[in-house]
Amino acid sequence: EVALTQSPATLSLSPGERATLSCRATESVGHLLAWYQQKRGQAPRLLIYDASKRATGIPARFSGRGSGTDFTLTISSLEPEDFAVYYCQQRHDWPTFGQGTRLEMK
Amino acid sequence: QVQLAQSGAEVRKPGASVKVSCKASGYTFTGHYIHWVRQDRGQRLEWVGWINPKSGDTNYAERFEGRVTMTRDTSINTVYMDLSRLRSDDTAVYYCARDLCPLTNCYYFYMDVWGKGTTVTVSS
Repeated sequence: EVALTQSPATLSLSPGERATLSCRATESVGHLLAWYQQKRGQAPRLLIYDASKRATGIPARFSGRGSGTDFTLTISSLEPEDFAVYYCQQRHDWPTFGQGTRLEMK
Repeated sequence: QVQLAQSGAEVRKPGASVKVSCKASGYTFTGHYIHWVRQDRGQRLEWVGWINPKSGDTNYAERFEGRVTMTRDTSINTVYMDLSRLRSDDTAVYYCARDLCPLTNCYYFYMDVWGKGTTVTVSS
C-alpha cells in the first residue's frame, strides 16, 4: 500500500499570503495524485487531479505540481474561504489518502 | 444539478449490519462509477470500494472483503453499501462519491461529486 505523508500538519497564514502544502509518497505514483479541500461539516471537494489539472470550477489561484514521490499544492493568494483542511490522494495503487494539512487563519 | 443524496445517520451495536443508500440525480446514473469512502473520528479518509452502476460489478478494499457488499437499483438511480459484523472502529462518516471518468465502464479513482455523508455509530 502506498502511504502519503502531508506536511506541515498545520499552516497558519493570513489572507493574501501564498500557501504551499506538501505531500510525499512512500513509492512513486507517477502523476496519479489528487488534492481535495474539506471544510468543517462538509464533504471533500476535488481541486486538482493528475498532479496538476484543475477540476471543473476550481479557481486559478489553486495549482498543483510534482511527480514521482513529491507533490505540492499552492494557493497563490489566500482568500478567506480557502481556510480548510487539504488532503492528497494517490491512485497509482488502491486509493489512499494523506492525513491532511489544516490551513488556518493567522 | 448533479447530486448524491445519502440516507440518514445510523446507530448499531457491535456485530450488527448497516445499509447506507446513495441516490444520484442530475446526470446519467450508469455513466459513472460510485465509490464509498469513510472518514473516521480522527478525520482519516479511507477508500472502501467501488461499484459500476451499469453492470453491478464491484471492487472492495482488501480490509473490507467479506464484510462489505455494494449493490445498485437502476430503476431508482440508487447505490447501497452494506457493512456487516460491525465493530466500534467502523464508527465513521461514510461518503458515496462519483468517479471523475465520464466514460461508461471507466474509472479514474478520482472523486468529483460527493454526498453529504452518513454517520454510522457502532456502540454497545
